[in-house]
Amino acid sequence: QVQLVQSGAAVKEPGASVKVSCKASGYTFTGYYVQWVRQVPGQGLEWMGWIDPNTGGTRYAQKFQGRVTMTGDTAINTVYMDLSRLTSDDTAIYYCARDWYTGSSDIFDYWGQGILVTVSS
Amino acid sequence: QSVLTQPPSVSAAPGQKVTISCSVSSSNIGSHYVSWYQLLPGTAPRLLIYDNNKRHSGIPDRFSGSKSGTSATLGITGLQTGDEADYYCGTWDSSLNVWVFGGGTKLTVL
Repeated sequence: QVQLVQSGAAVKEPGASVKVSCKASGYTFTGYYVQWVRQVPGQGLEWMGWIDPNTGGTRYAQKFQGRVTMTGDTAINTVYMDLSRLTSDDTAIYYCARDWYTGSSDIFDYWGQGILVTVSS
Repeated sequence: QSVLTQPPSVSAAPGQKVTISCSVSSSNIGSHYVSWYQLLPGTAPRLLIYDNNKRHSGIPDRFSGSKSGTSATLGITGLQTGDEADYYCGTWDSSLNVWVFGGGTKLTVL
């Protein structure tokens, strides 16, 4: 079955960077984009961007341009989301999700369990 | 600021039916497809409905989706305590080139 398992939970100081990993299994890793979404405590979901594990191509939400880098390693079926220059506003649960094109639209059909990143001095 | 507007909360008794609305503020989104997601604390979010009204694999038929014009609706019948969760609608905004989600609706099964 499709699974996305995340790791990288952390407490980081303001100004630091965090790297969250997302290991995929149960499907052809290079056949699907991976999306990243976050949820700040008490707030809704916020889209961050996606990566095409096949080509390494990425698209980032404008809000995170310059601070986020998404990469992938096809040898171990893992994608990474690196967020730099952290502030307390980046304290959130970070999710990866598989992107599936239904024929009509792109959706997030399977999600990782989420990783809490806390930014605090 | 979200272009998808959901009620902050809804509630109903076990066994009853509830609907959650998702109002789309942009005409660009009105022609696109809405999906619905269930978030339970401590678990991976789950896709319920995609392309407005299609149930994802393994989702019971108690869950349904519909869309009319610029408003989408998630319906849940035969409510169970296990349905208590936060529900989000989402779609791609072609004018902003971003994925957008509603603010989320907390469902309480009384």
